[in-house]
Order: sequence, then C-alpha cells, then structure tokens
Amino acid sequence: AQSVTQLDSHVSVSEGTPVLLRCNYSSSYSPSLFWYVQHPNKGLQLLLKYTSAATLVKGINGFEAEFKKSETSFHLTKPSAHMSDAAEYFCVVSAATSGTYKYIFGTGTRLKVLA
Amino acid sequence: DTGVSQDPRHKITKRGQNVTFRCDPISEHNRLYWYRQTLGQGPEFLTYFQNEAQLEKSRLLSDRFSAERPKGSFSTLEIQRTEQGDSAMYLCASSLEMFLAGVQDTQYFGPGTRLTVL
Repeated sequence: AQSVTQLDSHVSVSEGTPVLLRCNYSSSYSPSLFWYVQHPNKGLQLLLKYTSAATLVKGINGFEAEFKKSETSFHLTKPSAHMSDAAEYFCVVSAATSGTYKYIFGTGTRLKVLA
Repeated sequence: DTGVSQDPRHKITKRGQNVTFRCDPISEHNRLYWYRQTLGQGPEFLTYFQNEAQLEKSRLLSDRFSAERPKGSFSTLEIQRTEQGDSAMYLCASSLEMFLAGVQDTQYFGPGTRLTVL
C-alpha cells in the first residue's frame, strides 16, 4: 500500500525567501513521486516527478525536490519565493510496480507569500 | 495541445437528481482517470480506464456512480440519485502508457467539474 503525508497544511513565507514544503511517503514498492500545484479555479499542474532516476529532481518555475529513501521524504524547495507561487501544493505517490497506476495524494499544503 | 477538457465546469442540482459529466482527454492518451476532491482535501482516486476497459474502481465508487469510455476516447461519469455528500470537485486526468513494465506515466489533469447538491 502507498500513502503520503504532507507535514504542514499551511506555510507562509516572505517574497524572496526560501520555500520548503515537506512530504513523507510510505510505499511497499519502488515509488514514483510527484509534486503538483493547484491555483484557484485552475487545474492541477505538474511541477516535477521522481521515477527512480536522479534523486535530485528539478522542476518548473525554479522548484526542486530531493528523494531521500532513508528518510522516506520528498520535500519541495525553491530558493526564492515569488508572489505567483501562492497556491495549493500536493505531494503524490504512485507505484506502477504494484500493478496500479492511480495516484495517492496528500492533503495539500497552502503556500502564502507575503509582500 | 488542447489539454484535458471537462464539461460542465459547474453543476448545481437538487438531491435525488441524476447528473453526468464529460471528460475529453489529450488525444493520443490511452489512459483516463477520475478523481474526486472535497474541500480542504487532496483528490481521491475513483476509477481508471485503459482504452475502453475500466481496469480499477475505488471503494468510493458506490453503485450510484458509473463511468464509461465507450470508444476509448472521451469518458462520462454519471451519478444517480445524488446526495449532498456527493458535492465535490470531480477531476479527470489522462496519460500515455509508457509501454514499460512498472514505469509510472505522468497524469495531466483537467480543470474539473464542481458539483453542488442542494
């Protein structure tokens, strides 16, 4: 079985400061991990994904995440927040090796960026 | 690339009525997924199709829910005898099978259909 825990439901940062959104996962199989962003009244947009290649994954808009198997974590970071980063972020686990292609979503982290 | 589209974007209905939603995936994608998202929660998996075959259904998909993908292209999700608890955002996603065993493909999401049951 797979599960994902987003450790913070809300995160506030000042514009220009680093962003850290935390995600821990559980999987009985080799997981694939994703981060998606959801802006109000818009669809989910893929930020980045990990599928057992490089453990440091770079995504769009300056975001990156590091897969740490020993810590079962996949935290999302960005060096400098921009006002447009304010949105809901979802960590997702999936495991095609288990025979299913469905996504398991975390409960989301709402990022607020202060001017 | 027109992306995944869903229709309608919003639906308000009275309890007990039937509703149907449509999803048009990215044209070459052979997998199609339905998820439900309630306020303050992450999306939850409902069902998925590979071409026209419905391969997996969640326990969330009660017998009032039915999904079809008759020609392996667009899909419909019908809810019969709607209840207030059905109020949610219904999301559709599509992906292209990687044809490699155990490799997870990337799902692309539509804007969703927001259902309100009065």
